[in-house]
Amino acid sequence: AQRVTQPEKLLSVFKGAPVELKCNYSYSGSPELFWYVQYSRQRLQLLLRHISRESIKGFTADLNKGETSFHLKKPFAQEEDSAMYYCALRSRDDKIIFGKGTRLHILP
Amino acid sequence: SAVISQKPSRDICQRGTSLTIQCQVDSQVTMMFWYRQQPGQSLTLIATANQGSEATYESGFVIDKFPISRPNLTFSTLTVSNMSPEDSSIYLCSVKTVGGPNEAFFGQGTRLTVV
Repeated sequence: AQRVTQPEKLLSVFKGAPVELKCNYSYSGSPELFWYVQYSRQRLQLLLRHISRESIKGFTADLNKGETSFHLKKPFAQEEDSAMYYCALRSRDDKIIFGKGTRLHILP
Repeated sequence: SAVISQKPSRDICQRGTSLTIQCQVDSQVTMMFWYRQQPGQSLTLIATANQGSEATYESGFVIDKFPISRPNLTFSTLTVSNMSPEDSSIYLCSVKTVGGPNEAFFGQGTRLTVV
């Protein structure tokens, strides 16, 4: 089965502290994984994808095939990072399968 | 990238009625999808809109309830039929573009409230 699991519904982090949003997946073969972000009152947008190995807004995510994880990390949280974050997987038939999402709340 | 316009952006409807949501893209796209995001939930794929043929529905979604059209490569509609309060959700159109980055782009969504 192709599945994405985000175990945390809500994560509260102090400004300046490190952030890690967890994501685990179930997929046989080589997955294509993404992180999407939805800021308040804005549309869902792509944050980053594992194949490009880029860093966007200070966020990075490394695919760990052994642990079937794709955790999102940022060394120093900023208030503008408060948003809903979705981990997602591209299925074999090109659909995007989303996790349940984690709401990140940055405390001042 | 692709710019997606969804109409209406929100609506309040009476139960038993139907609402058609439009999705217009500014460029030709290979695939168009419709998602539902119920309050406090993640995005659930309803169906893949196929150009010139019947949509492909996911488990739990049927054509009679969610008829979909896609007459060309840049336009699709989703109808929510015989609505009940349980249909209150955000409905999102998503596309995958021809060439370009292999990612999905999303419309701003249609917030539907059924009373």
